[in-house]
Amino acid sequence: EVQLLESGGGLVHPGGSLRLSCAASEFMFNNYAMTWVRQGPGKGLEWVSTISESGERTSHADSVKGRFTISRDNPRNTLYLQMNGLRAEDTAIYYCAREQFAGNFGDTFDYWGQGILVSVSA
Amino acid sequence: DIQMTQSPSTLSASVGDRVAITCRASQSINGWLAWYQQKPGKAPKLLIYKVSALASGVPSRFSGSGSETEFTLTISSLQPDDFATYYCQEYNSDSQVTFGQGTKVEIK
Repeated sequence: EVQLLESGGGLVHPGGSLRLSCAASEFMFNNYAMTWVRQGPGKGLEWVSTISESGERTSHADSVKGRFTISRDNPRNTLYLQMNGLRAEDTAIYYCAREQFAGNFGDTFDYWGQGILVSVSA
Repeated sequence: DIQMTQSPSTLSASVGDRVAITCRASQSINGWLAWYQQKPGKAPKLLIYKVSALASGVPSRFSGSGSETEFTLTISSLQPDDFATYYCQEYNSDSQVTFGQGTKVEIK
């Protein structure tokens, strides 16, 4: 069974940084684009970033562009989200998710991690 | 950017009811429309993609329809396990996706 396990969340002050990780297992990680989606407290889903299978192509939401960077380490089967310049409005549960079909980029997501909480507060 | 608007925001229904949730896009999305189910404290679950294709393991009581800018998720006979929040998602652009704001299906 495909598994995605996020880590690295926590409480950070405004302006601070965090790096989220997502450890993937039980599928060919380097065949699939990967995505981060977040959900603020009591709010809906918000797409954050997507990275291609090789890591050569990335895309970020306007709300995080210039502050967040998605990356991946294929030999380690791990996805990352480097978050700099954090703001209160970045407070959310962050999910990593796998592209449904190998070779697609930012389409539909068939496996999700359990989510990790990031809280930005003074 | 494409905007996705779901209606209603909340839907009260009983077990056995037929329910429908609507999702409207601000422009044509060429059929690139998916639906997810999310229960409290859990990650979203993919239900439907490409307007009407059922994801693996999804019961046949779920169905999707629509075209251009208007889409519908229908549950033919609501089951106790179906009380949850549902999100539509467009993936027309090759660089980003957009979710609707969600529709909560609650017990009447």
